[in-house]
Amino acid sequence: AQSVTQLGSHVSVSEGALVLLRCNYSSSVPPYLFWYVQYPNQGLQLLLKYTSAATLVKGINGFEAEFKKSETSFHLTKPSAHMSDAAEYFCAVSGPRGAQKLVFGQGTRLTINP
Amino acid sequence: EAQVTQNPRYLITVTGKKLTVTCSQNMNHEYMSWYRQDPGLGLRQIYYSMNVEVTDKGDVPEGYKVSRKEKRNFPLILESPSPNQTSLYFCASRLASSGGNEQFFGPGTRLTVL
Repeated sequence: AQSVTQLGSHVSVSEGALVLLRCNYSSSVPPYLFWYVQYPNQGLQLLLKYTSAATLVKGINGFEAEFKKSETSFHLTKPSAHMSDAAEYFCAVSGPRGAQKLVFGQGTRLTINP
Repeated sequence: EAQVTQNPRYLITVTGKKLTVTCSQNMNHEYMSWYRQDPGLGLRQIYYSMNVEVTDKGDVPEGYKVSRKEKRNFPLILESPSPNQTSLYFCASRLASSGGNEQFFGPGTRLTVL
């Protein structure tokens, strides 16, 4: 069985500050890990993914995430927040190639203060 | 343009009135899936389909039906909607052989059952 926990349903940072969104996972098999972003009234867009290659993964819009097996974590970071980063972010886990589903975390709403 | 489309985008209905939400993808993906999104719960899988005429239950299938008669379409059917099915619904698709299991999401359908 797989599960995802996102720590903090709401995160608020100032424009220009570091963004850190936390994700911990549980998986009985080597996981694939994903971060998706959802802007208001839109569907989910893939930010980045980890598929057992490099543990530091770079995504779109300046985001990156590091896979830490020992900590079962896949935290999302961005060095300098921009107003356009305000959105809801979802961490998700799946099993290996061909797995039937993504298991999502509860989501973290990111607010950027001017 | 490669995309997943859903119709309608917004729907208000009454308890017990059968409805269908359509989903179509133009990427020749074998795998399609339906999720519902509820506050604080993230996205939960309702049903998925690995290919034409092959469907299976996800985590929350009660009250829903699906069919996969064509590769591009995967409609979600609510035979007798109830207020607890008020939610935001997403359709997703991916290649069956996708190494990263990346799913592409539609724009969502917001359903209200009175």
